[in-house]
Amino acid sequence: RKEVEQDPGPFNVPEGATVAFNCTYSNSASQSFFWYRQDCRKEPKLLMSVYSSGNEDGRFTAQLNRASQYISLLIRDSKLSDSATYLCAPWSTNAGKSTFGDGTTLTVKP
Amino acid sequence: NAGVTQTPKFQVLKTGQSMTLQCAQDMNHNSMYWYRQDPGMGLRLIYYSASEGTTDKGEVPNGYNVSRLNKREFSLRLESAAPSQTSVYFCASQGVNNQPQHFGDGTRLSIL
Repeated sequence: RKEVEQDPGPFNVPEGATVAFNCTYSNSASQSFFWYRQDCRKEPKLLMSVYSSGNEDGRFTAQLNRASQYISLLIRDSKLSDSATYLCAPWSTNAGKSTFGDGTTLTVKP
Repeated sequence: NAGVTQTPKFQVLKTGQSMTLQCAQDMNHNSMYWYRQDPGMGLRLIYYSASEGTTDKGEVPNGYNVSRLNKREFSLRLESAAPSQTSVYFCASQGVNNQPQHFGDGTRLSIL
């Protein structure tokens, strides 16, 4: 079993839809969590950091469930420009680094 | 504000050739990382350096060597390139623990 698991998708949604992705992690020492966005063949870029129970930034909301060891990313009112791959990366104290999931691909269609 | 700079951006090698991928960051970050990403796949950690003078193996270190030259620079060397090493290579840096990583824009490497 991978340390970080994400549903690869693809998720195909119409503009304006609400979509949610889950990321499960096995390392219980994970303290901080990061969501990155990666456009095709480009470098990952930080979308959101989560240090407590969750975070919200405009149309994006991340929620953390430490008991069940998963973190979700909710995107409201999807835009065409939201089409990308979303990577989850928990950071753990015992590893001293982040471990990346393989990503969830989102395609928003007109 | 350059952030993380990788050179070269593109490279084509023949099997058996050697080369060094360069990475430099200007954010005074302690940790630096090298990843590879194959088409349609996730990031795989090759090596990382938690601080100047230290390096550690990641998930896929075979066929690679690294040097943390100073706090700013972390290079990745392929001693004898193989077609299986055709990939996009990303360098990243991170400040203090618990902070996100910042990525360079990648080196696209093809080995024939």
